[in-house]
Amino acid sequence: EVQLVESGGGLIQPGGSLRLSCAASGFTVSSNYMSWVRQAPGRGLEWVSVIYSGGSTYYADSVKGRFIISRDNSKNTLYLQMNSLRAEDTAVYYCARAHYYAGLFDFWGQGTLVTVSS
Amino acid sequence: DIQMTQSPSSLSASLGDRVTITCQASQDISNYLNWYQQKPGKAPKLLMYDASNLETGVPSRFSGSGSGTDFTFTINSLQPEDIATYYCQQYDNLPYSFGQGTKLEIK
Repeated sequence: EVQLVESGGGLIQPGGSLRLSCAASGFTVSSNYMSWVRQAPGRGLEWVSVIYSGGSTYYADSVKGRFIISRDNSKNTLYLQMNSLRAEDTAVYYCARAHYYAGLFDFWGQGTLVTVSS
Repeated sequence: DIQMTQSPSSLSASLGDRVTITCQASQDISNYLNWYQQKPGKAPKLLMYDASNLETGVPSRFSGSGSGTDFTFTINSLQPEDIATYYCQQYDNLPYSFGQGTKLEIK
Protein backbone atom coordinates (compact mmCIF):
# COMPACT_ATOMS: atom_id res chain seq x y z
CA GLU A 1 0.00 0.00 0.00
CA VAL A 2 1.33 3.41 -0.95
CA GLN A 3 1.76 5.77 2.00
CA LEU A 4 3.25 9.22 2.50
CA VAL A 5 3.58 10.53 6.04
CA GLU A 6 4.76 14.11 6.59
CA SER A 7 6.23 15.38 9.83
CA GLY A 8 8.26 18.28 11.16
CA GLY A 9 5.72 21.07 11.06
CA GLY A 10 5.11 23.42 13.94
CA LEU A 11 5.27 26.99 15.16
CA ILE A 12 8.40 28.89 14.18
CA GLN A 13 9.43 32.52 14.45
CA PRO A 14 10.02 34.65 11.35
CA GLY A 15 13.57 34.19 10.11
CA GLY A 16 13.79 30.70 11.58
CA SER A 17 14.39 27.34 9.94
CA LEU A 18 12.47 24.09 9.84
CA ARG A 19 12.94 20.76 8.10
CA LEU A 20 9.95 18.80 6.91
CA SER A 21 10.12 15.06 6.30
CA CYS A 22 7.94 12.83 4.15
CA ALA A 23 8.39 9.12 4.82
CA ALA A 24 7.26 6.91 1.95
CA SER A 25 6.22 3.28 1.91
CA GLY A 26 4.89 1.02 -0.81
CA PHE A 27 7.10 2.59 -3.48
CA THR A 28 10.63 3.94 -3.97
CA VAL A 29 11.06 7.71 -3.62
CA SER A 30 14.16 7.82 -5.80
CA SER A 31 12.34 6.18 -8.72
CA ASN A 32 9.61 8.81 -8.79
CA TYR A 33 9.23 12.55 -9.14
CA MET A 34 8.46 14.00 -5.72
CA SER A 35 7.02 17.44 -5.01
CA TRP A 36 6.04 19.67 -2.12
CA VAL A 37 2.76 21.57 -2.48
CA ARG A 38 1.46 23.98 0.14
CA GLN A 39 -1.88 25.47 1.07
CA ALA A 40 -2.17 28.62 3.17
CA PRO A 41 -5.13 28.65 5.58
CA GLY A 42 -8.37 29.05 3.64
CA ARG A 43 -6.48 29.39 0.35
CA GLY A 44 -5.74 27.34 -2.75
CA LEU A 45 -2.89 25.04 -3.66
CA GLU A 46 0.60 26.29 -4.51
CA TRP A 47 3.35 24.11 -5.93
CA VAL A 48 6.62 24.65 -4.05
CA SER A 49 9.36 22.35 -5.31
CA VAL A 50 10.12 19.12 -7.19
CA ILE A 51 12.99 16.65 -7.23
CA TYR A 52 13.29 14.47 -10.29
CA SER A 53 14.29 10.82 -10.15
CA GLY A 54 17.60 11.86 -11.69
CA GLY A 55 18.19 14.34 -8.87
CA SER A 56 17.40 17.66 -10.60
CA THR A 57 15.53 20.12 -8.42
CA TYR A 58 13.26 23.08 -9.18
CA TYR A 59 11.56 25.69 -7.03
CA ALA A 60 8.77 28.24 -7.11
CA ASP A 61 10.12 31.78 -7.24
CA SER A 62 8.51 32.47 -3.86
CA VAL A 63 10.86 30.00 -2.11
CA LYS A 64 13.91 29.94 -4.38
CA GLY A 65 17.10 30.53 -2.43
CA ARG A 66 15.38 29.80 0.91
CA PHE A 67 14.06 26.23 0.58
CA ILE A 68 15.96 23.07 -0.36
CA ILE A 69 14.35 19.82 -1.46
CA SER A 70 16.28 16.59 -0.98
CA ARG A 71 15.83 12.88 -0.38
CA ASP A 72 17.51 10.10 1.54
CA ASN A 73 17.33 6.96 -0.55
CA SER A 74 18.35 4.71 2.34
CA LYS A 75 15.42 5.99 4.40
CA ASN A 76 13.04 6.33 1.43
CA THR A 77 12.27 9.80 2.70
CA LEU A 78 11.78 13.21 1.09
CA TYR A 79 12.77 16.44 2.85
CA LEU A 80 12.14 20.14 2.61
CA GLN A 81 14.63 22.37 4.40
CA MET A 82 12.99 25.75 4.94
CA ASN A 83 15.19 28.71 5.89
CA SER A 84 14.53 32.41 6.41
CA LEU A 85 10.87 31.67 7.03
CA ARG A 86 8.29 34.39 6.55
CA ALA A 87 4.71 34.81 7.73
CA GLU A 88 3.54 34.12 4.18
CA ASP A 89 5.10 30.64 4.35
CA THR A 90 2.41 29.66 6.86
CA ALA A 91 0.57 26.74 5.27
CA VAL A 92 -0.14 23.05 5.31
CA TYR A 93 2.69 21.40 3.39
CA TYR A 94 1.89 18.28 1.39
CA CYS A 95 4.35 15.93 -0.21
CA ALA A 96 3.10 14.41 -3.44
CA ARG A 97 4.27 11.61 -5.66
CA ALA A 98 4.29 11.90 -9.44
CA HIS A 99 4.91 8.49 -10.94
CA TYR A 100 4.45 9.05 -14.69
CA TYR A 101 5.08 12.73 -15.29
CA ALA A 102 6.72 15.18 -12.93
CA GLY A 103 3.65 17.36 -12.60
CA LEU A 104 1.00 14.63 -12.40
CA PHE A 105 0.51 14.17 -8.65
CA ASP A 106 -1.08 10.77 -8.24
CA PHE A 107 -0.66 10.36 -4.49
CA TRP A 108 -0.51 12.87 -1.63
CA GLY A 109 0.41 12.75 2.02
CA GLN A 110 -1.92 14.05 4.72
CA GLY A 111 0.05 17.27 5.20
CA THR A 112 1.89 19.00 8.03
CA LEU A 113 1.11 22.51 9.27
CA VAL A 114 3.82 25.14 9.42
CA THR A 115 2.97 28.35 11.25
CA VAL A 116 5.40 31.26 11.05
CA SER A 117 4.60 33.78 13.72
CA SER A 118 6.24 35.69 16.55
CA ASP B 1 4.49 31.59 -15.71
CA ILE B 2 1.18 30.03 -16.72
CA GLN B 3 -1.91 31.36 -14.94
CA MET B 4 -4.91 29.10 -14.47
CA THR B 5 -8.31 30.76 -14.18
CA GLN B 6 -11.07 28.59 -12.82
CA SER B 7 -14.76 29.41 -12.70
CA PRO B 8 -16.98 29.63 -10.88
CA SER B 9 -15.22 30.04 -7.53
CA SER B 10 -18.25 28.54 -5.80
CA LEU B 11 -21.23 26.60 -6.98
CA SER B 12 -24.47 25.47 -5.35
CA ALA B 13 -26.28 22.54 -6.93
CA SER B 14 -28.90 19.92 -6.10
CA LEU B 15 -28.31 16.22 -5.78
CA GLY B 16 -28.66 14.61 -9.18
CA ASP B 17 -27.70 17.81 -11.03
CA ARG B 18 -25.09 18.03 -13.73
CA VAL B 19 -22.26 20.33 -12.63
CA THR B 20 -19.71 21.97 -14.90
CA ILE B 21 -16.50 23.78 -13.96
CA THR B 22 -14.27 25.55 -16.44
CA CYS B 23 -10.55 26.21 -16.38
CA GLN B 24 -8.65 28.52 -18.70
CA ALA B 25 -4.88 28.60 -19.13
CA SER B 26 -3.03 31.80 -19.96
CA GLN B 27 -1.24 30.00 -22.78
CA ASP B 28 -1.49 26.76 -24.73
CA ILE B 29 -0.85 23.79 -22.43
CA SER B 30 -1.92 21.08 -24.89
CA ASN B 31 -3.70 18.50 -22.72
CA TYR B 32 -1.36 18.71 -19.69
CA LEU B 33 -4.23 19.45 -17.35
CA ASN B 34 -5.26 17.60 -14.21
CA TRP B 35 -8.28 17.86 -11.92
CA TYR B 36 -8.16 17.25 -8.16
CA GLN B 37 -10.82 16.93 -5.49
CA GLN B 38 -10.18 18.17 -1.97
CA LYS B 39 -12.52 17.52 0.93
CA PRO B 40 -12.25 19.66 4.10
CA GLY B 41 -9.20 18.78 6.19
CA LYS B 42 -8.00 16.22 3.65
CA ALA B 43 -5.29 16.04 1.03
CA PRO B 44 -6.18 16.59 -2.63
CA LYS B 45 -7.03 13.53 -4.67
CA LEU B 46 -6.31 13.10 -8.38
CA LEU B 47 -9.53 12.58 -10.34
CA MET B 48 -8.58 13.22 -13.95
CA TYR B 49 -5.31 13.56 -15.81
CA ASP B 50 -4.37 14.75 -19.27
CA ALA B 51 -7.66 16.65 -19.47
CA SER B 52 -9.93 13.70 -20.13
CA ASN B 53 -8.52 10.54 -18.54
CA LEU B 54 -10.22 9.18 -15.46
CA GLU B 55 -7.88 8.06 -12.68
CA THR B 56 -8.29 4.43 -11.66
CA GLY B 57 -11.12 3.94 -9.20
CA VAL B 58 -12.81 7.29 -9.87
CA PRO B 59 -16.53 7.00 -10.67
CA SER B 60 -17.54 7.43 -14.29
CA ARG B 61 -19.91 10.30 -13.46
CA PHE B 62 -16.79 12.49 -13.54
CA SER B 63 -15.53 13.57 -16.96
CA GLY B 64 -13.25 16.15 -18.51
CA SER B 65 -12.56 17.68 -21.88
CA GLY B 66 -10.58 20.36 -23.64
CA SER B 67 -7.15 21.13 -24.99
CA GLY B 68 -5.02 24.17 -25.61
CA THR B 69 -6.30 26.84 -23.25
CA ASP B 70 -9.90 25.90 -22.44
CA PHE B 71 -10.97 22.95 -20.31
CA THR B 72 -14.17 21.64 -18.76
CA PHE B 73 -14.79 19.33 -15.84
CA THR B 74 -18.24 17.78 -15.41
CA ILE B 75 -19.98 15.79 -12.72
CA ASN B 76 -23.06 13.98 -13.99
CA SER B 77 -25.70 13.33 -11.34
CA LEU B 78 -24.19 15.03 -8.30
CA GLN B 79 -23.85 12.77 -5.25
CA PRO B 80 -23.51 13.79 -1.57
CA GLU B 81 -19.92 12.54 -1.47
CA ASP B 82 -18.98 14.94 -4.28
CA ILE B 83 -19.18 17.93 -1.97
CA ALA B 84 -15.64 19.29 -2.03
CA THR B 85 -13.39 21.88 -3.61
CA TYR B 86 -12.10 21.09 -7.10
CA TYR B 87 -8.84 22.35 -8.58
CA CYS B 88 -7.43 22.29 -12.08
CA GLN B 89 -3.65 22.17 -12.50
CA GLN B 90 -1.33 22.50 -15.47
CA TYR B 91 1.92 20.62 -15.82
CA ASP B 92 2.99 21.73 -19.26
CA ASN B 93 5.63 24.04 -17.82
CA LEU B 94 7.36 24.74 -14.54
CA PRO B 95 6.27 26.23 -12.24
CA TYR B 96 3.26 23.94 -12.05
CA SER B 97 0.18 26.00 -11.28
CA PHE B 98 -3.31 25.45 -9.94
CA GLY B 99 -6.59 27.19 -10.48
CA GLN B 100 -7.99 29.02 -7.48
CA GLY B 101 -10.52 26.27 -6.81
CA THR B 102 -14.27 25.76 -7.09
CA LYS B 103 -16.14 25.08 -3.88
CA LEU B 104 -19.13 22.86 -4.55
CA GLU B 105 -22.06 22.95 -2.15
CA ILE B 106 -25.47 21.35 -1.97
CA LYS B 107 -28.44 23.61 -2.67
